[in-house]
Amino acid sequence: EAGVTQSPTHLIKTRGQQATLRCSPISGHTSVYWYQQALGLGLQFLLWYDEGEERNRGNFPPRFSGRQFPNYSSELNVNALELEDSALYLCASSLQGDTEAFFGQGTRLTVV
Amino acid sequence: GDSVTQMEGPVTLSEEAFLTINCTYTATGYPSLFWYVQYPGEGLQLLLKATKADDKGSNKGFEATYRKETTSFHLEKGSVQVSDSAVYFCALLYSGAGSYQLTFGKGTKLSVIP
Repeated sequence: EAGVTQSPTHLIKTRGQQATLRCSPISGHTSVYWYQQALGLGLQFLLWYDEGEERNRGNFPPRFSGRQFPNYSSELNVNALELEDSALYLCASSLQGDTEAFFGQGTRLTVV
Repeated sequence: GDSVTQMEGPVTLSEEAFLTINCTYTATGYPSLFWYVQYPGEGLQLLLKATKADDKGSNKGFEATYRKETTSFHLEKGSVQVSDSAVYFCALLYSGAGSYQLTFGKGTKLSVIP
């Protein structure tokens, strides 16, 4: 069975541009989570989607947004990129919100 | 709010040494507790979990016991290998008013030398 898949693996953008990151959850999982892992800062919770709705949001500015599609895949959009947005963005999925989450390999976003 | 505190790293051990990585948490109610591992250049893998007090999670020789009285979930392994070199994250999952959030500690980097 396929795990959580994220694309692209690496993404290089210029400051001020927009980035779109994609995530496909494990088959049957309805919850998708997004985390930012910046160097030296651990994992910071970004967003949680379940059944197509945004259920919870971390302490990030509105230029971080996303959505979940009817097939439960998800997109994370980051607008007006800043240099400090450079990080590994991890997506995770779970059967529902109260069960363990399984992570993808991440998308490494570099803003230059 | 909920929080997880892990021992600061990095931790360097010789092969076959005993490993303990401390983890304590703050949460209202009774969260589920997890240890995740991140190998270099990879995402996070679930290592073990415990969902209620006194539960012991175990996997690949690693163990952790959910201690409600001390709000702790320390990770242990009796004999580490070079292949265990990675960053280890303690995490809790708590629900409040139907909202679930997985909260992580800052991670502890383990290096095992031959």
